[in-house]
Amino acid sequence: DIQMTQSPASLSASLGETVSIECLASEGISNDLAWYQQKSGKSPQLLIYAASRLQDGVPSRFSGSGSGTRYSLKISGMQPEDEADYFCQQSYKYPFTFGSGTKLEIK
Amino acid sequence: QVQLQQSGTELVKPASSVKISCKASGYTFTSNYMHWIRQQPGNGLEWIGWIYPGNGNTKYNQKFDGKATLTADKSSSTAYMQLSSLTSEDSAVYFCARGDNSGYYFDYWGQGVMVTVSS
Repeated sequence: DIQMTQSPASLSASLGETVSIECLASEGISNDLAWYQQKSGKSPQLLIYAASRLQDGVPSRFSGSGSGTRYSLKISGMQPEDEADYFCQQSYKYPFTFGSGTKLEIK
Repeated sequence: QVQLQQSGTELVKPASSVKISCKASGYTFTSNYMHWIRQQPGNGLEWIGWIYPGNGNTKYNQKFDGKATLTADKSSSTAYMQLSSLTSEDSAVYFCARGDNSGYYFDYWGQGVMVTVSS
């Protein structure tokens, strides 16, 4: 199975700050990567797919980048509603696998 | 609008089975994959498998072979997952999630079903 190593496990950011979360795949995944946001007690929501494509309705402060084995999610200007858990997911090979998550809190 | 409405919380005994449902609305049920995903406290998210309701084809994570069985009823636009031979390790929240146009990203999710296995 492809292992997705996500970092950091947690971070805190001030309002307006830019934050980055990274995922490292155990092998190349050819940009077959998504990012999800999960707020407390809710279902995950798709933010980014195909590594860098913004899902409809997602604010433009969210962006994704990367290639090969390294991918990142950037939030440009932390907002209160961005406090949540974030997960990456690869769809390059079965079984699809997720990163272990990043808990993002407001400082 | 697309909605996935899942059945309610389940408290089940060890060694038993449970069948949870996911009723889809707001789109053509037979045109998108339906995925199932498990979330255990502290263990993150695990992909269980998908079913394509248009033809009933399925694909499972090998880890869940023999544990999960996915079916779909086109007449009611409802997907089902049966979990068998339950142990405490199967206690988790189970989500259904629609595959997007590529099939492999999850663009709409159900609210989740908490399954607790306890005697």
